Amino acid sequence: AQTVTQSQPEMSVQEAETVTLSCTYDTSESDYYLFWYKQPPSRQMILVIRQEAYKQQNATENRFSVNFQKAAKSFSLKISDSQLGDAAMYFCAAAETSGSRLTFGEGTQLTVNP
Amino acid sequence: KAGVTQTPRYLIKTRGQQVTLSCSPISGHRSVSWYQQTPGQGLQFLFEYFSETQRNKGNFPGRFSGRQFSNSRSEMNVSTLELGDSALYLCASSLSSLDGYTFGSGTRLTVV
Repeated sequence: AQTVTQSQPEMSVQEAETVTLSCTYDTSESDYYLFWYKQPPSRQMILVIRQEAYKQQNATENRFSVNFQKAAKSFSLKISDSQLGDAAMYFCAAAETSGSRLTFGEGTQLTVNP
Repeated sequence: KAGVTQTPRYLIKTRGQQVTLSCSPISGHRSVSWYQQTPGQGLQFLFEYFSETQRNKGNFPGRFSGRQFSNSRSEMNVSTLELGDSALYLCASSLSSLDGYTFGSGTRLTVV
């Protein structure tokens, strides 16, 4: 079984600044995938970035990057040059490579201040 | 290409009734998963279907069931609705776990 924990219920950032959202997880699997999803008020979950656990290199997608610390079971999301459109609920999630179930954290509500 | 389509977007039902929600995955995606989202419990996995077979199931009572058709479209059914079933039900489709999961906009179910 996997568990995912997001310890920051709310975060805020000034437009154009950088913010980091935290996530820790626990799993008995040796290989797995990690994801960050964004859920704006429209409710649709949007995939922001994904990381394969066997890859040591941190994933990057434009202004979004992760800091993946496998030994510490930590998977934080860094948003650079924050934009108003980044305001949303962010969910960290894990999936076993052999399975199809996503386990989500509690979410972090990100506010971007102009 | 078209995304994941869920219908209806909103639904109001009375306790004791049953409801069916529909999900059309992205073309070519054979895996369809369902999640329940509530303020108290967060996002919880209901079940996953692959090629018309239930491949994985979450910890929900038997009142929650689903099926998948040969065109990969999926339906979720909840019988004998309870007030606690009020939630946003999200459907996601995928080519593989590595590719990630594409979600629909959800169906907001309110049980009164």
